[in-house]
Amino acid sequence: GAVVSQHPSWVICKSGTSVKIECRSLDFQATTMFWYRQFPKQSLMLMATSNEGSKATYEQGVEKDKFLINHASLTLSTLTVTSAHPEDSSFYICSASAEGRGRETQYFGPGTRLLVL
Amino acid sequence: GQNIDQPTEMTATEGAIVQINCTYQTSGFNGLFWYQQHAGEAPTFLSYNVLDGLEEKGRFSSFLSRSKGYSYLLLKELQMKDSASYLCAVRGDYKLSFGAGTTVTVRA
Repeated sequence: GAVVSQHPSWVICKSGTSVKIECRSLDFQATTMFWYRQFPKQSLMLMATSNEGSKATYEQGVEKDKFLINHASLTLSTLTVTSAHPEDSSFYICSASAEGRGRETQYFGPGTRLLVL
Repeated sequence: GQNIDQPTEMTATEGAIVQINCTYQTSGFNGLFWYQQHAGEAPTFLSYNVLDGLEEKGRFSSFLSRSKGYSYLLLKELQMKDSASYLCAVRGDYKLSFGAGTTVTVRA
């Protein structure tokens, strides 16, 4: 159990385009989903926290108008990188947790590698 | 704020034991997690401690001392596949904060 998928696994796009990344919890209902970004040889940095049906909570320094998050259902959250630029190139990872699973462990998706040219 | 410290790198021989220490200073504490991350992949959950003491799970054990703000992950009978980055993460009031990770290299 506790499987989280992400799609796509990697994407290359031109500067100025928008990219949508999907995160799905496959075998449990995720009350909360988290979006992280990881640059090479660095740790995961939380970008935002989203709860189903409500607006995402963004971490300080993360532009909410640039990184649009939608958590439309208990199994799906999407992150849209709008008007992507080369500095947005990174490894984007989502995780999901659910109340009632005892320890609120976050289960991570496989990540999406974004390269903006 | 959150401050989580762990060594950058460790090297050990196949079959040996390695202990990765993690110290933390956080606002709020609701558990400490250890994750394993292979290069280019997402983290996978290893262990969770919320009370003081040792949690053993196969070859991996994790220890927590809340009063000292200290945890360690113990890897026994090291295998080549254990070469990875190990992330210490502390759950504060509502989110996980991660350390920079410890890269463990297992040599034959």
